[in-house]
Amino acid sequence: DQQVKQNSPSLSVQEGRISILNCDYTNSMFDYFLWYKKYPAEGPTFLISISSIKDKNEDGRFTVFLNKSAKHLSLHIVPSQPGDSAVYFCAASLIQGAQKLVFGQGTRLTINP
Amino acid sequence: DAGVTQSPTHLIKTRGQQVTLRCSPISGHKSVSWYQQVLGQGPQFIFQYYEKEERGRGNFPDRFSARQFPNYSSELNVNALLLGDSALYLCASSLSTGVRSPLHFGNGTRLTVT
Repeated sequence: DQQVKQNSPSLSVQEGRISILNCDYTNSMFDYFLWYKKYPAEGPTFLISISSIKDKNEDGRFTVFLNKSAKHLSLHIVPSQPGDSAVYFCAASLIQGAQKLVFGQGTRLTINP
Repeated sequence: DAGVTQSPTHLIKTRGQQVTLRCSPISGHKSVSWYQQVLGQGPQFIFQYYEKEERGRGNFPDRFSARQFPNYSSELNVNALLLGDSALYLCASSLSTGVRSPLHFGNGTRLTVT
């Protein structure tokens, strides 16, 4: 049972435009959500997070939006840069208990010059 | 500062064998977690250790075990290897056990079981 789903395996965006990556989850108990970026041959790197008491969190060019009623979150990157080309994973967790992240399958983002 | 280091980087084993993977956390980090990433999937949680005690276990068989040492480094052991154990094994460290403390991942150990 895939509790966290990223339905788009890949996304191609022109440099300077907005990149929008989507993620859906099924477990309504999740109350903390994160995005990680992964380059080839490297481990995932933490990007941004949001708790369920918020619906938006910004950090520079990165903004995460959370829609609890739809069990949906998205990551917006504005403006997109060539260095943003990577695989992006969303993850969900419970604030209480073990630091156990449930990851989606990932979306490969390619920024075209 | 050095990041999370994992060894070896690549490993080839035969079905039925046993394997030990090693991880050194970032200096000052007391929590170590292990994840398995099968090709085309996201990482899947295996274990979390904090101060040498197991704090969480994922849905993996008893063939998988781990431990954490006094210097906070960690080992992941897998016995009776199956073909399906072929994956990238990621170690991550964090300052504390809380989910608000971001995980810092190593580059992983690529295990191939033939």
